[in-house]
Amino acid sequence: SAVISQKPSRDICQRGTSLTIQCQVDSQVTMMFWYRQQPGQSLTLIATANQGSEATYESGFVIDKFPISRPNLTFSTLTVSNMSPEDSSIYLCSVEDSLAPRGSTDTQYFGPGTRLTVL
Amino acid sequence: QKEVEQNSGPLSVPEGAIASLNCTYSDRVSQSFFWYRQYSGKSPELIMSIYSNGDKEDGRFTAQLNKASQYVSLLIRDSQPSDSATYLCAVIRAGGTSYGKLTFGQGTILTVHP
Repeated sequence: SAVISQKPSRDICQRGTSLTIQCQVDSQVTMMFWYRQQPGQSLTLIATANQGSEATYESGFVIDKFPISRPNLTFSTLTVSNMSPEDSSIYLCSVEDSLAPRGSTDTQYFGPGTRLTVL
Repeated sequence: QKEVEQNSGPLSVPEGAIASLNCTYSDRVSQSFFWYRQYSGKSPELIMSIYSNGDKEDGRFTAQLNKASQYVSLLIRDSQPSDSATYLCAVIRAGGTSYGKLTFGQGTILTVHP
């Protein structure tokens, strides 16, 4: 499976500021995804990021709050804008395994996550 | 009704026993099913994927899928303390705008005690 890294691994931010999270993959992948995991909760998809097109956001998530870039097939960023304490979560990127056997190309692997605390 | 439901647990089993984790899903057009393991403070790690009705075995893990009952389970044989984690069931619907979208259950906390 692809090796995925995220930066930063954690951060503590002040209310009203913005943080950009980077996701780097060691191989080219078509689809990248951004998830949020609030404390004690499961994962919720924020958006799908495809290279060369605008990100597709899930219900409850908007581009002004979570702008996403996908400049190439190995890299994506998620920005959490105008942060409030409610944005304190773990943010995870995932990728589809483009080298997976046929019939399993929708298998997703996750990066290590970015733990964000907003004061 | 939640799209993907799991018993939140915690589920406690003795070392060496079989741990049985269950998941139901609401959307009949779901096509792909996954079990992830998440240790505290870590990201989810894929354990099993299953796409067809029946059983799929990988080492100590067996995934079972019954599309008619909209039910997927994970059995862990010879449970070890290192299996103690949160197990997440995830589902992908077929095609269209749902392509690639993983919908997760709330997770089941498993504790294996020596």
